[in-house]
Amino acid sequence: QQQVKQSPQSLIVQKGGISIINCAYENTAFDYFPWYQQFPGKGPALLIAIRPDVSEKKEGRFTISFNKSAKQFSLHIMDSQPGDSATYFCAASTGGGNKLTFGTGTQLKVEL
Amino acid sequence: EPEVTQTPSHQVTQMGQEVILRCVPISNHLYFYWYRQILGQKVEFLVSFYNNEISEKSEIFDDQFSVERPDGSNFTLKIRSTKLEDSAMYFCASSLNTDTQYFGPGTRLTVL
Repeated sequence: QQQVKQSPQSLIVQKGGISIINCAYENTAFDYFPWYQQFPGKGPALLIAIRPDVSEKKEGRFTISFNKSAKQFSLHIMDSQPGDSATYFCAASTGGGNKLTFGTGTQLKVEL
Repeated sequence: EPEVTQTPSHQVTQMGQEVILRCVPISNHLYFYWYRQILGQKVEFLVSFYNNEISEKSEIFDDQFSVERPDGSNFTLKIRSTKLEDSAMYFCASSLNTDTQYFGPGTRLTVL
């Protein structure tokens, strides 16, 4: 019940295209859903996060869509760039300083 | 911009030896965490620390592991008797409020 399932495992997108990564969870106590970006040899860096009281949050080219009834959330990267090539992790937390439960990660490659 | 720092960046040790991984969280943060990532896998929670005590630990965090905040700035993870399966990237994270966690660059631990 604590798992966060993430798909796809890997994704290749053309420059300028839209990258979409999906996550699903079971634990209805989760109330904070961040996305992290990780480059090789580096630590995860917070990209964008959402709480379940809104269905969408947009920051620049990055958008989180959240479907509370389906217990799913997704990351959309608009106008994908080669510099976006990285591993993306969704995560979930019950808040209150509690642990993050991470998805399995998506390796994104943006080709010219 | 303040950031979480970790030392060393890479630690090589023999099986059965003790290692101490060090972290300097962001200075005004209150919540501290250790996570690990086995090569190519997802990030896994180890332990959270608040108000000078462990607030939550995972099943991975057995008696071989301990954490300490010896002074006002450092946060350490000790593994008493390392095993081959402890080889991983270890990430320290900290947060001010109870949601957004900021990760350090990690320490790569190699157990031979």
